[in-house]
Amino acid sequence: RKEVEQDPGPFNVPEGATVAFNCTYSNSASQSFFWYRQDCRKEPKLLMSVYSSGNEDGRFTAQLNRASQYISLLIRDSKLSDSATYLCVVYGPASKIIFGSGTRLSIRP
Amino acid sequence: SAVISQKPSRDICQRGTSLTIQCQVDSQVTMMFWYRQQPGQSLTLIATANQGSEATYESGFVIDKFPISRPNLTFSTLTVSNMSPEDSSIYLCSGQESTGELFFGEGSRLTVL
Repeated sequence: RKEVEQDPGPFNVPEGATVAFNCTYSNSASQSFFWYRQDCRKEPKLLMSVYSSGNEDGRFTAQLNRASQYISLLIRDSKLSDSATYLCVVYGPASKIIFGSGTRLSIRP
Repeated sequence: SAVISQKPSRDICQRGTSLTIQCQVDSQVTMMFWYRQQPGQSLTLIATANQGSEATYESGFVIDKFPISRPNLTFSTLTVSNMSPEDSSIYLCSGQESTGELFFGEGSRLTVL
């Protein structure tokens, strides 16, 4: 089992739709969680951290479920500019940083 | 967040040659890392660049093939040695802020003929 797993997609949704995807992690001692966004041929950039209580940033909501060992990202009122690959990043014990393989999202007009 | 300048942004190299990629951060960071990303794949950590000492390599990566230098807290280089077509990839430098956030250089797209 991979340490961090994501559905690779692609998710193809119409503009204005709500889309959500999850990321599961195997190590229950994992400490910190992030979502990064990577546009085609660009470097990854931090989208948002994921806090235990859940957090929201505009149209984006991130949640952590420690019991089931997954994090989620919800995008409301999706825009064409949201098309990208979303990478789940998990910080494990001893500061080990693990990247998921990414979920591709495509928003169509 | 801090900004990383990475160069070259791309290069085409001949088999058997070596290429050095440079990474300059605009502020001091504790941790610096080098990643490789194949097209359509996620990031694979090559090594952690340690200031003033040998880098810490991940399984499958060795110093002879990927020598790394980090003479100070803001600069690091990665050399891809004796290149083969299998080394064609995007190489990314990253730094880590005290918040834990990773920030990346724009990447170096390497093609080996």
